[in-house]
Amino acid sequence: AQSVAQPEDQVNVAEGNPLTVKCTYSVSGNPYLFWYVQYPNRGLQFLLKYITGDNLVKGSYGFEAEFNKSQTSFHLKKPSALVSDSALYFCAVTLGTDKLIFGTGTRLQVFP
Amino acid sequence: DAGITQSPRHKVTETGTPVTLRCHQTENHRYMYWYRQDPGHGLRLIHYSYGVKDTDKGEVSDGYSVSRSKTEDFLLTLESATSSQTSVYFCAISEPYQETQYFGPGTRLLVL
Repeated sequence: AQSVAQPEDQVNVAEGNPLTVKCTYSVSGNPYLFWYVQYPNRGLQFLLKYITGDNLVKGSYGFEAEFNKSQTSFHLKKPSALVSDSALYFCAVTLGTDKLIFGTGTRLQVFP
Repeated sequence: DAGITQSPRHKVTETGTPVTLRCHQTENHRYMYWYRQDPGHGLRLIHYSYGVKDTDKGEVSDGYSVSRSKTEDFLLTLESATSSQTSVYFCAISEPYQETQYFGPGTRLLVL
């Protein structure tokens, strides 16, 4: 069965420092991987996705993620965090069936 | 929120009463989805639709039914609400072979 793990419930980082939000997946095939962000009382917003090709994917708001097939990971990164990046982040996977499997979410807190 | 509205945005109801949530899109996307979001579970798929009158069950479909009589509307019905259905419900849309799903603002449902 497909699954996604986000091992950290919360990540704290100081503004200006680099941030990483971790995601690992388990699928029996070639995954399509996604990151979404949720701001308070809002729906999920698409950040970026990996389908095929270059392992480093760039997305919205300066975020990027690196697909690592050997480690089955798709960690979200940003070189310099902003206070406004504070939100709930979800990793998701699909095998191209259009049915997304989500991780449990990681709350990112960026301190001034 | 990508031309997706959900109504109502908030609802309080009593155990045993029927509840219908509406998702309306103006994007003319073929695929539509209903998810529920609960702490510690991320988002879980309830039902989905690949077109008018073409619906199927997701991971957590027990106690829920759906209908789609028009491309733009996808209704989620709780036939007899239970306290375990207290949650935040999100609708999403996508196009075939586009993978990326776009989410509505959510409906917060409290079942007393």
